[in-house]
Amino acid sequence: DTAVSQTPKYLVTQMGNDKSIKCEQNLGHDTMYWYKQDSKKFLKIMFSYNNKELIINETVPNRFSPKSPDKAHLNLHINSLELGDSAVYFCASSQGRAPSYEQYFGPGTRLTVT
Amino acid sequence: GDSVTQMEGPVTLSEEAFLTINCTYTATGYPSLFWYVQYPGEGLQLLLKATKADDKGSNKGFEATYRKETTSFHLEKGSVQVSDSAVYFCALSDQAGTALIFGKGTTLSVSS
Repeated sequence: DTAVSQTPKYLVTQMGNDKSIKCEQNLGHDTMYWYKQDSKKFLKIMFSYNNKELIINETVPNRFSPKSPDKAHLNLHINSLELGDSAVYFCASSQGRAPSYEQYFGPGTRLTVT
Repeated sequence: GDSVTQMEGPVTLSEEAFLTINCTYTATGYPSLFWYVQYPGEGLQLLLKATKADDKGSNKGFEATYRKETTSFHLEKGSVQVSDSAVYFCALSDQAGTALIFGKGTTLSVSS
């Protein structure tokens, strides 16, 4: 069974469109995250949710809006896509917020904006 | 703010060579430290972790020791294999446990 899954795996779209990426975890974890990996492989936190509540919102354009319908899901909606949004987006989850908890990552969604 | 610095790659080694990937950190308090590995086309997997000073994390022949005095968490393996070829990320967890802060990643390429 896949622990953290994301759909779609690949997403190719044009500038100006709106798209969503879905994430689900079946680990029973309380905390979920979105990270962005740029073309140089640098990973940066975007959002962090604990028990469906937003606890981190890094300097991310407000075109990006996370939504957590329940503890097992954290979706990412992106409005008015721009070329610079092209990246790999990773969802992750952890048992809680303690610093010692490891994070489990999904396989990533490669977004290409043309 | 908190940050992680790891050696620039790529690192190219022959099979059975010794591997060291350097990682140093800057953080307030006592963060937990992690090494994650990313194989081509895949997500990140935890390789090992250490949660307090002098802890040694180990897994699959890889080791790293949490050195508070030098703020380092260097990754080592005595004998690398072709299957170890991947990108390795050093990371720390901020004190609130709200995010991982990653280094820039080091690409390892092992040839037979």
